Amino acid sequence: GAVVSQHPSWVICKSGTSVKIECRSLDFQATTMFWYRQFPKQSLMLMATSNEGSKATYEQGVEKDKFLINHASLTLSTLTVTSAHPEDSSFYICSADDPRNEQFFGPGTRLTVL
Amino acid sequence: SQQGEEDPQALSIQEGENATMNCSYKTSINNLQWYRQNSGRGLVHLILIRSNEREKHSGRLRVTLDTSKKSSSLLITASRAADTASYFCATATLYVASGTYKYIFGTGTRLKVLA
Repeated sequence: GAVVSQHPSWVICKSGTSVKIECRSLDFQATTMFWYRQFPKQSLMLMATSNEGSKATYEQGVEKDKFLINHASLTLSTLTVTSAHPEDSSFYICSADDPRNEQFFGPGTRLTVL
Repeated sequence: SQQGEEDPQALSIQEGENATMNCSYKTSINNLQWYRQNSGRGLVHLILIRSNEREKHSGRLRVTLDTSKKSSSLLITASRAADTASYFCATATLYVASGTYKYIFGTGTRLKVLA
């Protein structure tokens, strides 16, 4: 299947700093990528849909100014957690649709905010 | 809630037994996918079943889909200790206005297979 990568795989930062997470589709072009958040022992919650060349569509309750999404190319979407706080600590996972509309997930990024 | 429901929430079985997990959802879907996640790790795609399909097999996995009941089941036959993981269903709904799919995950089933 298609490959989606994420970088970094884990990050620890101090409260108040901003953290950028990259999501790349390695062998296909993805006009649409998705960002999810997963708290321990819970399911994945869709945060936003990232559309190449246009603004992201955020789910209800997700702060746009807190979680900045940029989908600058057909193979790269970034999620920036601005002014991170301990409650933002979570597992962030991206996914991308291939041309057949099948979804492939990245390995995830574990964010710990001290 | 944006999530579908899965049951059971947790399942513990002996190696060699079959494990069945169910997923129910609320809206019309284009396809439904099952994923596996080991503790603290990323998701592994298991199988995709489209809305016009009723059953699919992949190795020891069997997935059924009943769109009239808005439910799906995942059967793992002859389970192994290595099957221990959380299993999630995800439903894909096409948003015509944007032409994109939106994926909603179920609450997950934690499977433990005892050796």
